[in-house]
Amino acid sequence: DQQVKQNSPSLSVQEGRISILNCDYTNSMFDYFLWYKKYPAEGPTFLISISSIKDKNEDGRFTVFLNKSAKHLSLHIVPSQPGDSAVYFCAATPRDDKIIFGKGTRLHILP
Amino acid sequence: EAQVTQNPRYLITVTGKKLTVTCSQNMNHEYMSWYRQDPGLGLRQIYYSMNVEVTDKGDVPEGYKVSRKEKRNFPLILESPSPNQTSLYFCASSLGIGQGEVWTEAFFGQGTRLTVV
Repeated sequence: DQQVKQNSPSLSVQEGRISILNCDYTNSMFDYFLWYKKYPAEGPTFLISISSIKDKNEDGRFTVFLNKSAKHLSLHIVPSQPGDSAVYFCAATPRDDKIIFGKGTRLHILP
Repeated sequence: EAQVTQNPRYLITVTGKKLTVTCSQNMNHEYMSWYRQDPGLGLRQIYYSMNVEVTDKGDVPEGYKVSRKEKRNFPLILESPSPNQTSLYFCASSLGIGQGEVWTEAFFGQGTRLTVV
């Protein structure tokens, strides 16, 4: 049973436009949500996070929105840049210090 | 430079031949863990360790062992590898402060691509 779902395997966005990556979850006990970015041949790197008690967190071009009633979070990248082309993993942590990742969404930024 | 180092980066082995993938971090992190990445399945946690001599199963621990005798090292052991363990493996470490917060300062290794034939 997949607790963290990223239903779009890939997404293509024009450079300069907004990229929106979506993530749904099923476990209402998750207390923290995170986004990781992964380039080929490298390990994932932490990008941005949000606590379950908040609904928005912003860091430069990256904003994460959390809608607890819908069990949905999204990552907005504005404006999108060529270096943003990567695989993005949504992740969530229940209260027992585990972490559960989604399957990832491959973002292509088009020139 | 803060880093998590995995070795080897690439490994081809035969079914049943014991192997160890090493992981070392130089940040004095308490929390370390192992993941495997498979097409269509994303990253799945194998084992994790909150501190020395403390290890716990993740979501897919079958066929794997770990040990945490020292803070900096967290080796992944495959006693009898099988072809379904062919995968890309990542080790990660983090400070271990709080619960969800542990992952905001997580560092991942560059990965070990393992093929079992």
